[in-house]
Parts: sequence; structure tokens; C-alpha cells
Amino acid sequence: EAGVAQSPRYKIIEKRQSVAFWCNPISGHATLYWYQQILGQGPKLLIQFQNNGVVDDSQLPKDRFSAERLKGVDSTLKIQPAKLEDSAVYLCASSLYSAEYNSPLHFGNGTRLTVT
Amino acid sequence: GDSVTQMEGPVTLSEEAFLTINCTYTATGYPSLFWYVQYPGEGLQLLLKATKADDKGSNKGFEATYRKETTSFHLEKGSVQVSDSAVYFCALRENYGQNFVFGPGTRLSVLP
Repeated sequence: EAGVAQSPRYKIIEKRQSVAFWCNPISGHATLYWYQQILGQGPKLLIQFQNNGVVDDSQLPKDRFSAERLKGVDSTLKIQPAKLEDSAVYLCASSLYSAEYNSPLHFGNGTRLTVT
Repeated sequence: GDSVTQMEGPVTLSEEAFLTINCTYTATGYPSLFWYVQYPGEGLQLLLKATKADDKGSNKGFEATYRKETTSFHLEKGSVQVSDSAVYFCALRENYGQNFVFGPGTRLSVLP
């Protein structure tokens, strides 16, 4: 099966600019996650979708970050305006059954964002 | 809240050495436990998992046993290879929730 697809792989922007990341999960996966991974740290959840509804966005900085998952398939994460501390790898992941707590996450290769 | 603690890296070993990466967790319920591996430039990949106490997950020569009494899920491999060089993340998923909580990762370097 095809894996989780993300684009772009790399992005360099100046602070205060905007940027968008795209993710296409594994076909049939109802749950989609966006994680932020700062260098040397583990992934931190930003937002979780179940189909096209938001399950958890408690750690999303809503003043500058937004995400949507129209039609319950692919998803876009946007940052506007970007800050230096947003430099990180943004990982998208999907999972088959949200109610099955032992269903693992499948990750994309991530987008490395550098804010200068 | 739930949390995962891992031994600090980097860990540097010679090829064929024995590997242990310690992982302990704090959770209110009965989580499932996972080890993920991240190779350079790639996303995280599931290495193994265990869903209940005393379960042993295994894959590619790696093993980890879910120890409820010590709230631990240590990763072991009897003989590491250069290709095992990567960052290893311990993670848990809450029993009745849906969030994955990751540890900070442990970087492993295996020298030929």
C-alpha cells in the first residue's frame, strides 16, 4: 500500500511569511495527525482529525496555525505569520481505527521548515 | 498527564554489541506501548508494540517487554548492526483516549 505522502520536503521562509504543508494519508485511514518535531525532541501533537472533524487541537497555536481536512481525506497545515521558533519538522501521520488504541501510527517523511 | 522518559543519548556501540535503551512511562490507565525508529531524513516507522502487561513485542531482532509493575518498556537487541544507527522513540497510547505520547528519543550510533 502507498504510504503517507507529504509535500514539500523542505521549505525555507523568512519570519512573518506564511507557509502551507500538504498531507495525503494512507487510503482508508480515518484518523490523521499533524506533529511538530523540534530538533532533538520527540514529536509533539498539534492537531488530530477523525474523518473531517477535529478531535484534539489543544496544543495548536491557533493565533498563527490552522489546519483543515476537507472531505476527510487529505489535509493542509498553515502557519501565518511564521516565527523563528516554528523551525522544525512537521510530520503527518495516519491511523486505521481511532477507537482501536493499539492501532499504530503511519508517518510520512515530514516537511523540514526553516524560518530565517 | 501521561509521559514517557527515555535514557539520554547518544548511545555509541560497536557492531555486534548488546543494546538496551531504557523507557519508562507514566499513565493513568492501561496504555499500549510502542517503539518507533527514525532513520536520517525519514519519518518515524513502527518497530514493535505491546498492548498489555507481560506482552513481548519483537521485530528485526529487537525486543521489548511490557512491564506494568515497573512501568517500563525497555528496548533490547542482542547484536546490533551498523544499519541500526537511528533515533529510537518510545511512545504510549492512552487506553481510552486517542493521543500518542512520545519520549524525547535516543540516538544510536553503531560503529563498524
